[in-house]
Amino acid sequence: AQSVTQLGSHVSVSEGALVLLRCNYSSSVPPYLFWYVQYPNQGLQLLLKYTTGATLVKGINGFEAEFKKSETSFHLTKPSAHMSDAAEYFCAVGRQGAQKLVFGQGTRLTINP
Amino acid sequence: DVKVTQSSRYLVKRTGEKVFLECVQDMDHENMFWYRQDPGLGLRLIYFSYDVKMKEKGDIPEGYSVSREKKERFSLILESASTNQTSMYLCASILAGSPYNEQFFGPGTRLTVL
Repeated sequence: AQSVTQLGSHVSVSEGALVLLRCNYSSSVPPYLFWYVQYPNQGLQLLLKYTTGATLVKGINGFEAEFKKSETSFHLTKPSAHMSDAAEYFCAVGRQGAQKLVFGQGTRLTINP
Repeated sequence: DVKVTQSSRYLVKRTGEKVFLECVQDMDHENMFWYRQDPGLGLRLIYFSYDVKMKEKGDIPEGYSVSREKKERFSLILESASTNQTSMYLCASILAGSPYNEQFFGPGTRLTVL
């Protein structure tokens, strides 16, 4: 069975600082992994996804994530935080043979001016 | 612009009431989902529908039922609302086929059961 653990329910960074949101997964099959973002009072939208091939994945709004099989990780990064990045971020892993996802607990990102 | 809409953004109901949450998508997607979102628990799947009149239980189906009479519409039903069903409910749809396809989410309905 698949599972996802996001380390840190709240992360706070200064504007212009590096953003690092951690995600570790468990999967008995080669995983496909997603990061979704939820801005205040909105539904989730896709930031980026890993399927196969290149392990460094680039997404929207300057975010990227690196798939590390040996560490079972898929951490999300952005070199320079912007105030508009304040949101909740969810890591998810696909369930075997289906389009259903298992979501992590979420990490709320706060940006300090 | 693709869209998933939910009938209400905020809803307040009383214990024991029957509650209907409606979701409509305009992308002709075959598959639709209902999730509930709670702080510290992320999103948990309630029900999944892979075709009209077809449904599959998710991880937490107890206390809920669903209806899909038309492809574009997926309804979540709380037969007898309870206070522990106070939560944010999110609907999503996805094009059938690849597991890499993106799920598209509605804005959510925040339900309070008193």
